[in-house]
Amino acid sequence: DVKVTQSSRYLVKRTGEKVFLECVQDMDHENMFWYRQDPGLGLRLIYFSYDVKMKEKGDIPEGYSVSREKKERFSLILESASTNQTSMYLCASSDSYSNQPQHFGDGTRLSIL
Amino acid sequence: QKEVEQNSGPLSVPEGAIASLNCTYSDRVSQSFFWYRQYSGKSPELIMSIYSNGDKEDGRFTAQLNKASQYVSLLIRDSQPSDSATYLCAVNEGYGGATNKLIFGTGTLLAVQP
Repeated sequence: DVKVTQSSRYLVKRTGEKVFLECVQDMDHENMFWYRQDPGLGLRLIYFSYDVKMKEKGDIPEGYSVSREKKERFSLILESASTNQTSMYLCASSDSYSNQPQHFGDGTRLSIL
Repeated sequence: QKEVEQNSGPLSVPEGAIASLNCTYSDRVSQSFFWYRQYSGKSPELIMSIYSNGDKEDGRFTAQLNKASQYVSLLIRDSQPSDSATYLCAVNEGYGGATNKLIFGTGTLLAVQP
């Protein structure tokens, strides 16, 4: 089974802080994704990576950056946290063969005070 | 803007009934289609994949795909209270390819009444 592990289930930070969310997958997947999920808005793609050190912006990249130094690890960085970044953050990974599904971690519920 | 549309619900069905969840998508060239189940406060869990027109059955779940109508559905037979969750429809973006980007619907909330 695919295992995607997010470092924290719940996280509380203050506005202006730099926040790191970590995600690790154990299936040697090339593709990794970061989403946020808000009520009524569904899943929105923030960034994705298709290889080490490669990244592409998703639909809502503003205020976020990412890092992928190793294949198994994909980090999401909130450069200066703001209250409107309070959300559920979900990491996912998928194989690079066409038409493969994504597999999700347990999510991090982030509150910015 | 490529879209995946789902009725937000809630869809309420009695225990033992068939629940029918529907999804339409706008990108005519999409090749792969997925259903995820998401319990409240949890992350999405893949339950079905379908790639060809017709039906695909897995236990109590049947996925149906009609590419001409750009329509995907999920049937849950003998619905149980434990099936109560939000069901997300996801469609691959474009012709597919190595990145496997998906477009997600906002989900349908299913409530199975004991």
